[in-house]
Amino acid sequence: KQEVTQIPAALSVPEGENLVLNCSFTDSAIYNLQWFRQDPGKGLTSLLLIQSSQREQTSGRLNASLDKSSGRSTLYIAASQPGDSATYLCAVEGRQTGANNLFFGTGTRLTVIP
Amino acid sequence: EAQVTQNPRYLITVTGKKLTVTCSQNMNHEYMSWYRQDPGLGLRQIYYSMNVEVTDKGDVPEGYKVSRKEKRNFPLILESPSPNQTSLYFCASSLPRLAGGPRLPYNEQFFGPGTRLTVL
Repeated sequence: KQEVTQIPAALSVPEGENLVLNCSFTDSAIYNLQWFRQDPGKGLTSLLLIQSSQREQTSGRLNASLDKSSGRSTLYIAASQPGDSATYLCAVEGRQTGANNLFFGTGTRLTVIP
Repeated sequence: EAQVTQNPRYLITVTGKKLTVTCSQNMNHEYMSWYRQDPGLGLRQIYYSMNVEVTDKGDVPEGYKVSRKEKRNFPLILESPSPNQTSLYFCASSLPRLAGGPRLPYNEQFFGPGTRLTVL
């Protein structure tokens, strides 16, 4: 069964710093990997989706990379802002599981200090 | 606006009192799913549906039922809620990934705002 791990569980950085969030998964047979943002009391917002054939995706200050063979993904946030404070989740859609079904990590709670 | 809606957003109930959490999407998605989120465990899938009248169990289906009579709606039913079902529930929808079918450009899932359920 696919297992997804995110390290660290929590992270505090001063405003303006660049930071990296890590995600690892045990089964490399995936369709894609998706990064989400979750704000307290709110739903999940999709940030980036990387297809299994891709190496990275970029959106504004966010860059996500995927190394499928090693079962790793990183989310790079440049020039962090207090508004980036949230929990970041990664999820993989595995080929062995039912189509479309996502396996989630437990998230990294990010705090950006003004 | 393309969205997934859930109702109610917050619910406090007592053990054994049947309840339904509704989920509706306006994107004409075939695939819909329910997840629960618990501290330290992340999101875990309860049930999913590939299309109308097609549903299947996820990782944690015990104590839940679902139905898919219409494409846009996917209600989650707790026939006899228990305190261990206290959780944050999310509904999601997306286009389907069809086995042997055309490869979709990507398969982004859209999530509802969540329903916080407390069972006393």
